[in-house]
Amino acid sequence: DAEITQSPRHKITETGRQVTLACHQTWNHNNMFWYRQDLGHGLRLIHYSYGVQDTNKGEVSDGYSVSRSNTEDLPLTLESAASSQTSVYFCASSESLVDEQYFGPGTRLTVT
Amino acid sequence: AQTVTQSQPEMSVQEAETVTLSCTYDTSENNYYLFWYKQPPSRQMILVIRQEAYKQQNATENRFSVNFQKAAKSFSLKISDSQLGDTAMYFCAFLSGYALNFGKGTSLLVTP
Repeated sequence: DAEITQSPRHKITETGRQVTLACHQTWNHNNMFWYRQDLGHGLRLIHYSYGVQDTNKGEVSDGYSVSRSNTEDLPLTLESAASSQTSVYFCASSESLVDEQYFGPGTRLTVT
Repeated sequence: AQTVTQSQPEMSVQEAETVTLSCTYDTSENNYYLFWYKQPPSRQMILVIRQEAYKQQNATENRFSVNFQKAAKSFSLKISDSQLGDTAMYFCAFLSGYALNFGKGTSLLVTP
């Protein structure tokens, strides 16, 4: 069955370190998204991609970057982790922009 | 920017009863899509129901139905015959263009 996976599921890192969160989907979806979830804020969009070599900034993109070298993967990089980036991160994908987004299981990131 | 408001942070319902979760949104667009997602303690985001703004008929999925009032910009979710497994966070989301805008969520507890 097609799926979307994220790794690691849990990560603890120190302030200032570079961290990369992986997202891999096997639906062959062109559209992929990264969200963060914080108490009192719901989910907020960080970056999104419509296809290979395409990346766009979302609502809360400062301090994050993504790259899309193939259809299946959209890794999220925190260039220099900050305590404010402690959060749960969700990756999602969709076949078209008006379709359901399928979410990964999430990565809980703690920056100490 | 579109905003999504869920005015009920927490709700409780007894098993087999009916509960309605509220959602309002703000937009100047005419064509858009609305979703309800469920997030159980496992943290997985699961689509509950989807509504296209151009459809007058309210969407229904088994025990879940919506009351979509386009003029009032209201999109409430009704859960009939509540089950213990319905205990979760419920997020209302608005889609127009590239990404979902989420409300802050309603925590629903179903009690025996």
